[in-house]
Amino acid sequence: AQSVTQLDSQVPVFEEAPVELRCNYSSSVSVYLFWYVQYPNQGLQLLLKYLSGSTLVKGINGFEAEFNKSQTSFHLRKPSVHISDTAEYFCAVSYNQGGKLIFGQGTELSVKP
Amino acid sequence: NAGVTQTPKFRILKIGQSMTLQCAQDMNHNYMYWYRQDPGMGLKLIYYSVGAGITDKGEVPNGYNVSRSTTEDFPLRLELAAPSQTSVYFCASSYSGWDQPQHFGDGTRLSIL
Repeated sequence: AQSVTQLDSQVPVFEEAPVELRCNYSSSVSVYLFWYVQYPNQGLQLLLKYLSGSTLVKGINGFEAEFNKSQTSFHLRKPSVHISDTAEYFCAVSYNQGGKLIFGQGTELSVKP
Repeated sequence: NAGVTQTPKFRILKIGQSMTLQCAQDMNHNYMYWYRQDPGMGLKLIYYSVGAGITDKGEVPNGYNVSRSTTEDFPLRLELAAPSQTSVYFCASSYSGWDQPQHFGDGTRLSIL
């Protein structure tokens, strides 16, 4: 079955440190990939997306992600986090470039001073 | 600049009661979606619509109904509330298909006792 796995449910990190949030998906011929962020008591907001082209995708708030087809991964990175990045992050995949969006379980990023 | 508006924000229901969760968008988006979010489970698609008069089931449709009589509105109906439907419900919209960013409302927090 098609699925999305976020390998860490919680990631604590100190302010100004780098962070990587990991996402793996089921093997597929073609996918659309997304990262969303959810701040407390709010809906989700799009951080970035990969549809085609360059495998390194840059998003808002200094985040970037790299599509790795051979490892079926789409990890999210930021070189230096801020307190304001504390939120829950969701990876989402549309299989076969048109299938319904499937969300991962979420990773709670906690940035400490 | 309203975006996606959900009402109510909070609701407590008794088992067996019915209610309608309202969702409206003012971005002239064709696609609309209903998700439920449970702790540690990510988002699960309940129903979606690709345009007025057209709806289809998602991953977890049992116990819910939807209608789409206008482009702007996409209400979600619970006919016989059950404790398993305690969740946070999110409505979202996008201009077209699954390759487009989805815009989310702030959610309805529903408890069934």
